[in-house]
Amino acid sequence: EADIYQTPRYLVIGTGKKITLECSQTMGHDKMYWYQQDPGMELHLIHYSYGVNSTEKGDLSSESTVSRIRTEHFPLTLESARPSHTSQYLCASSTRQGQETQYFGPGTRLLVL
Amino acid sequence: KNQVEQSPQSLIILEGKNCTLQCNYTVSPFSNLRWYKQDTGRGPVSLTIMTFSENTKSNGRYTATLDADTKQSSLHITASQLSDSASYICVVTDRGSTLGRLYFGRGTQLTVWP
Repeated sequence: EADIYQTPRYLVIGTGKKITLECSQTMGHDKMYWYQQDPGMELHLIHYSYGVNSTEKGDLSSESTVSRIRTEHFPLTLESARPSHTSQYLCASSTRQGQETQYFGPGTRLLVL
Repeated sequence: KNQVEQSPQSLIILEGKNCTLQCNYTVSPFSNLRWYKQDTGRGPVSLTIMTFSENTKSNGRYTATLDADTKQSSLHITASQLSDSASYICVVTDRGSTLGRLYFGRGTQLTVWP
């Protein structure tokens, strides 16, 4: 079992609220990622980071933002949640060496009413 | 366009039976192919990883094969158990970027009945 954690696991929130999804890993991995996954669909990369103070947008356009102030922490923020943001958000991490396996957190299921 | 296609979309089998899941990809240049298992409400967990030169890789009751010429992979599950019920995702990495760009299939939803 990988040491990567996400909180909250489930979140139901009203439109317009600001939310932050937390992700932390204790493996000392440099690379971290955020994916969005809808039921029965493939994972889509929305953000990634090579290390502290490094953040990049992924393939899927997202209104969310991320920060990487500490190696172990990679939070995702939505300033104003909308129903279209309803989805599962998965955080992952990997080492910087080559193309190592990504280890995934348990995910956060977000429902915006 | 780089793509990963999986079949079948869903599969129901009885406990103790074997099954084979398929993955076809068009990702190029190819680096490696992974099979992940994703339990409901959980994140994916890596089962196997194969590079260009590997044809077969086993992990317990899971055996993955790779034909890099035809760009096809399969995941064979032997003597299925109820705990095998999950989504199995094929993931292909390209060799053309330092990030190691991952291409995900939509997964095969496997249900094992007692």
